[in-house]
Amino acid sequence: KNEVEQSPQNLTAQEGEFITINCSYSVGISALHWLQQHPGGGIVSLFMLSSGKKKHGRLIATINIQEKHSSLHITASHPRDSAVYICAVPLYFHTGNQFYFGTGTSLTVIP
Amino acid sequence: DGGITQSPKYLFRKEGQNVTLSCEQNLNHDAMYWYRQDPGQGLRLIYYSQIVNDFQKGDIAEGYSVSREKKESFPLTVTSAQKNPTAFYLCASSIALDRVDGELFFGEGSRLTVL
Repeated sequence: KNEVEQSPQNLTAQEGEFITINCSYSVGISALHWLQQHPGGGIVSLFMLSSGKKKHGRLIATINIQEKHSSLHITASHPRDSAVYICAVPLYFHTGNQFYFGTGTSLTVIP
Repeated sequence: DGGITQSPKYLFRKEGQNVTLSCEQNLNHDAMYWYRQDPGQGLRLIYYSQIVNDFQKGDIAEGYSVSREKKESFPLTVTSAQKNPTAFYLCASSIALDRVDGELFFGEGSRLTVL
């Protein structure tokens, strides 16, 4: 059983389209992370949010704690947005926090 | 600039050899993690550490070993006991293991191929 589920797995969009990536989780959390993995393999943190909505440039992340669901939106998509987007949740164990990751959404934006 | 440095970026290993992947951070983070990434799967935790000279096994620790002799360094050794070591390995850090609001920082990854 995967604690974190993402959809869709793959997404192809035309440049300029509005994109939505979804993340659902099955456990109680206090925060959720959205990450971006670029084609070279490195990962950068996009958002960490525990309620409501956050916006950075053309990226918007929302979370509904009661429904255990988060979405990542990209407005006016551009080919440079092509990457794998991963959501992650921290779970607390007695030995400390561990993160559980979705399998990622591979986004390709075509010019 | 603060960040995490992993090396080497690409590594080839013959069967039966141990290899060590380097991970260094200058973020002054207490918590460090090693993950393995395989195609079609989410990141899986190998080992993590919250303090110098202490580390814990993750979900897939068999065939791997780590050390944490310095706060900024958390090297991973892939031993010959790891039956399927070909994968992409990512090192990460966060401010502390008991902070759920800690942002995760990742290195650029190391791609290991067994010949």
